[in-house]
Amino acid sequence: KAGVTQTPRYLIKTRGQQVTLSCSPISGHRSVSWYQQTPGQGLQFLFEYFSETQRNKGNFPGRFSGRQFSNSRSEMNVSTLELGDSALYLCASSEVAGPSTDTQYFGPGTRLTVL
Amino acid sequence: QKEVEQNSGPLSVPEGAIASLNCTYSDRGSQSFFWYRQYSGKSPELIMFIYSNGDKEDGRFTAQLNKASQYVSLLIRDSQPSDSATYLCAGITIAYSGAGSYQLTFGKGTKLSVIP
Repeated sequence: KAGVTQTPRYLIKTRGQQVTLSCSPISGHRSVSWYQQTPGQGLQFLFEYFSETQRNKGNFPGRFSGRQFSNSRSEMNVSTLELGDSALYLCASSEVAGPSTDTQYFGPGTRLTVL
Repeated sequence: QKEVEQNSGPLSVPEGAIASLNCTYSDRGSQSFFWYRQYSGKSPELIMFIYSNGDKEDGRFTAQLNKASQYVSLLIRDSQPSDSATYLCAGITIAYSGAGSYQLTFGKGTKLSVIP
């Protein structure tokens, strides 16, 4: 089976712009979770989608949003980018709605740099 | 905010020694804990999870959970240079979105260096 894929792998944007990141989960996985990883804050949960519905949401402003399509692919959107949004954005997929002891498989991440 | 805390390290151990990684958590309601390994420039990968008090062994790895003291640990026996990575502890906590919602809360990770 192919692993979790994320596109693009690298992105450079300027303050005020918006960005859309994409995540394709492992075939058969219906849960996609998004995380932000920075050196200062570590890995922080953004939100989880399961069967096209947002199930859980972390403590991030409304500028961060997401959606999931019927084929389980998910997109994350960040509007009005700020310098502090520079981070590695990781998505993870699992078979069942999480979190649970079902293994989450992480994608390679999208490195976003905001100038 | 429910927290999971780890010593950032770096933790240096000689090859063949036992590496001990520790994690504490603040949410007494957390039941399940996970250890992930993240190599530099790579994404996290799950090593093991534990949800019962006591020890759980998987090869050279042993996870320990003590719910009364609210700590989780990971022991790596016969450490190898290939074990050099950042180890992330995570627990299931109530999500910001409220009761009935859950999330994986990660510690900031402990960097382990195994010296040949």
